[in-house]
Amino acid sequence: RKEVEQDPGPFNVPEGATVAFNCTYSNSASQSFFWYRQDCRKEPKLLMSVYSSGNEDGRFTAQLNRASQYISLLIRDSKLSDSATYLCVVNVLYGNNRLAFGKGNQVVVIP
Amino acid sequence: GAVVSQHPSRVICKSGTSVKIECRSLDFQATTMFWYRQFPKKSLMLMATSNEGSKATYEQGVEKDKFLINHASLTLSTLTVTSAHPEDSSFYICSAPDGERSSYNEQFFGPGTRLTVL
Repeated sequence: RKEVEQDPGPFNVPEGATVAFNCTYSNSASQSFFWYRQDCRKEPKLLMSVYSSGNEDGRFTAQLNRASQYISLLIRDSKLSDSATYLCVVNVLYGNNRLAFGKGNQVVVIP
Repeated sequence: GAVVSQHPSRVICKSGTSVKIECRSLDFQATTMFWYRQFPKKSLMLMATSNEGSKATYEQGVEKDKFLINHASLTLSTLTVTSAHPEDSSFYICSAPDGERSSYNEQFFGPGTRLTVL
């Protein structure tokens, strides 16, 4: 079983709509969770960390479900500039900063 | 956020040559850096963990004699792809955690190096 699994999509989203996707992780001892954004042929950039209680940053909301071992990302009022691949990232062993990446959810916002 | 640079950003080389990629933390010290490889439409795969002053730790399936890593200082790690072949063509990215700036295990990524081996 892969460490982090994501449905790659693509997710075609009308501008202004809401899109949500999940990722699952296999290691129940994982401690830190992140969503990164990666544009085509660029490096990943941190979008937001995911806290146990869930957190929001503007139009982006992240949730963590430890019991079911998944995290989610919701994007409200989608903008054209939100088109990118969103990577689910999990710190596999607390303390040594080793990250495991999902394949990413590709989002295409359509005018 | 913290800044990590990589050089070169793009390299095209002939099969059989060696290519060195540099990863630098510009405004913080990094005792640990990570090297990843990403093939088109695939996820980032960790290749190795670079440790300042000691040997790198390689992931299973990554040949340490082919991908030489040197972490000579607290701000520089290098990855040398030796005797490169077309199947080594990929996007190579480094990252480093900045423990001073972030206690949440956040890592900062370099802009990546696109290697094409002819």
